[in-house]
Amino acid sequence: EAQVTQNPRYLITVTGKKLTVTCSQNMNHEYMSWYRQDPGLGLRQIYYSMNVEATDKGDVPEGYKVSRKEKRNFPLILESPSPNQTSLYFCASSWDREGYGYTFGSGTRLTVV
Amino acid sequence: GQQLNQSPQSMFIQEGEDVSMNCTSSSIFNTWLWYKQDPGEGPVLLIALYKAGELTSNGRLTAQFGITRKDSFLNISASIPSDVGIYFCAGHGSNFGNEKLTFGTGTRLTIIP
Repeated sequence: EAQVTQNPRYLITVTGKKLTVTCSQNMNHEYMSWYRQDPGLGLRQIYYSMNVEATDKGDVPEGYKVSRKEKRNFPLILESPSPNQTSLYFCASSWDREGYGYTFGSGTRLTVV
Repeated sequence: GQQLNQSPQSMFIQEGEDVSMNCTSSSIFNTWLWYKQDPGEGPVLLIALYKAGELTSNGRLTAQFGITRKDSFLNISASIPSDVGIYFCAGHGSNFGNEKLTFGTGTRLTIIP
């Protein structure tokens, strides 16, 4: 089954403790993105990647890092999480640069206390 | 970043009613997409629009790409309980190499028994 898999689904952590949210897709898509969803703000892009070793900032990149060493994986790294990074995170992938749209993962709900 | 204004923010309707929602932008988009998010899941693509004036249907859903390329509309006819969820519009810009998909803030649809 074609899918984007995120782990974990739920995570509670403490301020400053480094964490990684993994994302993997099995569709051989070139394009991948991370979004965060907050009430009243919709989905905001954190980082995106056009291909292996090619990443760029989205609209809200502060406090996040990403890497794209393999085509299928696009992990999101929070080096020093803070409470304002409490959010619902989605990874997405797409084959089409022009916008057939992304396939989204099921989300990771992160709480930073 | 680009702003997408989506309205209404929420809708409370009775089963069987028709639904209309829209999305407006301060910028021109080349592609408009409509997604639906079920509770606890990631957004799923409903309809994609690629040309100004285009009208596209997917079952009971109909979406239109505005002539000005700065707006889009989604209509749902004869709503049923499984239509409940959050609907997001999204626009894809025209800059080469810009893979950003800008999302609206969402319209939450609730069906009143």
